Amino acid sequence: QKEVEQNSGPLSVPEGAIASLNCTYSDRVSQSFFWYRQYSGKSPELIMSIYSNGDKEDGRFTAQLNKASQYVSLLIRDSQPSDSATYLCAAGFQKLVFGTGTRLLVSP
Amino acid sequence: DADVTQTPRNRITKTGKRIMLECSQTKGHDRMYWYRQDPGLGLRLIYYSFDVKDINKGEISDGYSVSRQAQAKFSLSLESAIPNQTALYFCATSAPGLAGVETQYFGPGTRLLVL
Repeated sequence: QKEVEQNSGPLSVPEGAIASLNCTYSDRVSQSFFWYRQYSGKSPELIMSIYSNGDKEDGRFTAQLNKASQYVSLLIRDSQPSDSATYLCAAGFQKLVFGTGTRLLVSP
Repeated sequence: DADVTQTPRNRITKTGKRIMLECSQTKGHDRMYWYRQDPGLGLRLIYYSFDVKDINKGEISDGYSVSRQAQAKFSLSLESAIPNQTALYFCATSAPGLAGVETQYFGPGTRLLVL
C-alpha cells in the first residue's frame, strides 16, 4: 500500500513566522512531489512541485526533498492569515497518492 | 472561464438513485481523474483515464463507473447511490511536462449528499 503521511495539525503560527510542513512517503519509486493548498470546501490549488533532491524556492515558499529519507517539506516564510488552509502533500508519477493534509492556522 | 468545470456543483439524491457527475476541460490534457474527498481520509482515486480509449480503476472504484466521451469530457456515474458515497468529488486533469513531471489541475468539486 503506497502511503503519504502528514501530521493533521493544526499547526498554529503567528503572522510573520515561518511555517514548516512535513510529509513522508512510502513508495521509493515516486518521482514527483507536490504541495497543494486547499481552503475549506474549495478545490486543491498547486503551490509547489519538486522532483530533485534539495530545495526549490518560489516566492515565500520553499519545498525540500530528501529521497534517501523519503521526506518532503514545505516552508512558508512570512506567514500571513491568508495562508491559513489545509496543505496536501502528494507523491507519485502519473498517478498521485495524497496525504490527508496538515491544517495551518496563522494568527494575526 | 475555468479550465476544468464540474456539473452539478451540489447534488442531493436518495439511496438507490442513479446519478452522473460531469467534468469538462479546456486545457487540452489527455489525462483525467476522478477523486473523492472525505473528512480525515484525504483524496482517494476512483478512476483515471490516460486517453479516450484508456480507462483504469483507482483504489476505490466499487460502486462507480466512468465514461470518457471525448478528450475533454469524463463522467462519473453512481449506478445506485448509497449514503456512504456522500462526499466531495473532484475531477482533475494532467499532461506530461518538464522531465515527465505531471501536474494535476483540479476542478471546483461537486458536493454530493445521498439520503
